[in-house]
Amino acid sequence: SAVISQKPSRDICQRGTSLTIQCQVDSQVTMMFWYRQQPGQSLTLIATANQGSEATYESGFVIDKFPISRPNLTFSTLTVSNMSPEDSSIYLCSVEPGSDETQYFGPGTRLLVL
Amino acid sequence: GIQVEQSPPDLILQEGANSTLRCNFSDSVNNLQWFHQNPWGQLINLFYIPSGTKQNGRLSATTVATERYSLLYISSSQTTDSGVYFCAVARYGNNRLAFGKGNQVVVIP
Repeated sequence: SAVISQKPSRDICQRGTSLTIQCQVDSQVTMMFWYRQQPGQSLTLIATANQGSEATYESGFVIDKFPISRPNLTFSTLTVSNMSPEDSSIYLCSVEPGSDETQYFGPGTRLLVL
Repeated sequence: GIQVEQSPPDLILQEGANSTLRCNFSDSVNNLQWFHQNPWGQLINLFYIPSGTKQNGRLSATTVATERYSLLYISSSQTTDSGVYFCAVARYGNNRLAFGKGNQVVVIP
């Protein structure tokens, strides 16, 4: 398994601003994932972040809106840019630390945009 | 993309009861995972089970890949079992999980 932390745990932001969310893992992992969970909904994959390469975005998500950094094997950031109330969600990072494909999730960042 | 359907969407259980949650998926997969999201939002991985049967305490899961479904069994339910159970799948060589809408479970004492 893996121990994953996210910062901030929650935030309230004004529309038009940007927020950067950090994800820290206690071990080196190749693949990290960013998900969004809108209120009362399921999880949707935003992008896959591999160290040393550009993030791969899912349909409906673009780099200008959700830029991602992956500077090393234990850390990643997701920025939510030019926020609107529709961006109010829980943002979660996950990793696959082992030889199988089991994913482990961080505690999430609860974002409210006013 | 792969479609994932979970049933029932909502379930209320008396403490001590047993239940079965079902996950149907629309295409062949070699990656299937069950998660529990507790009322505080934390997602816990319960099983990685692309095929076969696994058990962990009061929980067990079975995946019949050829028939494109998986079942999660909860026995002797406890109030701490309350939350949302998600099934997530991915195709071979593809770690990008597609999640179902979840099973909302409430266990009452």
